Amino acid sequence: GAVVSQHPSWVICKSGTSVKIECRSLDFQATTMFWYRQFPKQSLMLMATSNEGSKATYEQGVEKDKFLINHASLTLSTLTVTSAHPEDSSFYICSANRQRTPNEQFFGPGTRLTVL
Amino acid sequence: QKEVEQNSGPLSVPEGAIASLNCTYSDRGSQSFFWYRQYSGKSPELIMFIYSNGDKEDGRFTAQLNKASQYVSLLIRDSQPSDSATYLCAVNYGNQFYFGTGTSLTVIP
Repeated sequence: GAVVSQHPSWVICKSGTSVKIECRSLDFQATTMFWYRQFPKQSLMLMATSNEGSKATYEQGVEKDKFLINHASLTLSTLTVTSAHPEDSSFYICSANRQRTPNEQFFGPGTRLTVL
Repeated sequence: QKEVEQNSGPLSVPEGAIASLNCTYSDRGSQSFFWYRQYSGKSPELIMFIYSNGDKEDGRFTAQLNKASQYVSLLIRDSQPSDSATYLCAVNYGNQFYFGTGTSLTVIP
C-alpha cells in the first residue's frame, strides 16, 4: 500500500506556457501533500505543503503566484507552473503522508519538466 | 532555520565492506529521522526510519541516533554494487520534512 503517482512523468514545453502536474495517492487518503523540486546533483527542496481544502503553505522564496497548488481532494493535489521559463526546468516530486502513519512520507515517481 | 547536513561524498567502498553514512541536524526538537535512497533520475525511496527513542536494524541496514551530538547514521553491511546511489537523510519536525543534500555512495565490485 501507500502508492503515490504523478502525471505526467515527463513534459517539455515552450517558454511562457503553463504546465499542470498531478499527484495522486492511489490507495490511501493523504492527510498532507508536499511538493519538492530537485535540480541536478542537488537535494530535494520543499516548495510547499498542502492540505485538502485549504491554501497551500509556501516555503520562503517560492512564488505562490507562479506555482499554483490546488488540493481538491484527499487523494489529489496539482501543481501548475505558470508562464514557465527555462530556469523552471527541474525534477518536481510530490509526496504524501497518511493519517495512520503521519511521520512517513511516500514519494511519487517525479515529473521532469524541461522548458525550452 | 532547521538544517540537515550531510557530507556530499562521493563515498566509495569495496563490495562486501561496511558503508557508513552520517547526517547532522540542528533542531533538538526533531522527532523522527529517515534515510532515503535515490537512484539517478528517480524519486527517493524510503530505506528506514527511526524515532528519537532508539536505533533500528533492518537486514543489512542499521540506523543509529546520537541525540546528544545531534547526528544520525546509516550503516550498510555487506555493501553491494546495487547499493550505489545517493542517500538522503531527512528529519521530521512537526509536519515538515527537512532533507540533507545527500551522500553519493559507490560500491566497487
